[in-house]
Amino acid sequence: ELKVEQNPLFLSMQEGKNYTIYCNYSTTSDRLYWYRQDPGKSLESLFVLLSNGAVKQEGRLMASLDTKARLSTLHITAAVHDLSATYFCAVRNSGNTPLVFGKGTRLSVIA
Amino acid sequence: DVKVTQSSRYLVKRTGEKVFLECVQDMDHENMFWYRQDPGLGLRLIYFSYDVKMKEKGDIPEGYSVSREKKERFSLILESASTNQTSMYLCASSLTGAGMNTEAFFGQGTRLTVV
Repeated sequence: ELKVEQNPLFLSMQEGKNYTIYCNYSTTSDRLYWYRQDPGKSLESLFVLLSNGAVKQEGRLMASLDTKARLSTLHITAAVHDLSATYFCAVRNSGNTPLVFGKGTRLSVIA
Repeated sequence: DVKVTQSSRYLVKRTGEKVFLECVQDMDHENMFWYRQDPGLGLRLIYFSYDVKMKEKGDIPEGYSVSREKKERFSLILESASTNQTSMYLCASSLTGAGMNTEAFFGQGTRLTVV
């Protein structure tokens, strides 16, 4: 059974600081996704990572994938308040199997 | 842009009522999913469908059923609503395949309260 663990689950960070969110998964996967959810809103796709060593960047967020370690990271550079949200990673075994989500990391960026 | 539309943002229903949650997507996606989201538990898969008239149980199907009579529409049915089904319900759709554009796109969510 595929399990996905994120840590930390809660993160309070100061503006301008850097931090990393970790996503571990338990079995082989052919792709990994990162989503963002604002309070009261739905999930928005951020990144799709397909292969070992894949790195994607958008603004202050950078995601990477190490399939051998079954680990993905979401790195936040010089955090700003607008990044406050809950971030989910999700993993798919293969083919058309549904995504399995981590429990999410609630990020709060404070001045 | 992909659009996944859920019929209601907020619903309040009484215990024992039969509840229908509707979801429509406009991008001809083969796959559709229903998740529920609860604090501390993340997203949990209720049911999914890869094709019309086809359905598969997810991790927590008890107390729920689904219907997919048309490709664009996937309905979640609570046969007899109970208070422990109070939750945020999220519908999603995705393409089949191995390419880049296979992420799931989510609807805006339905916050259901059962009293």
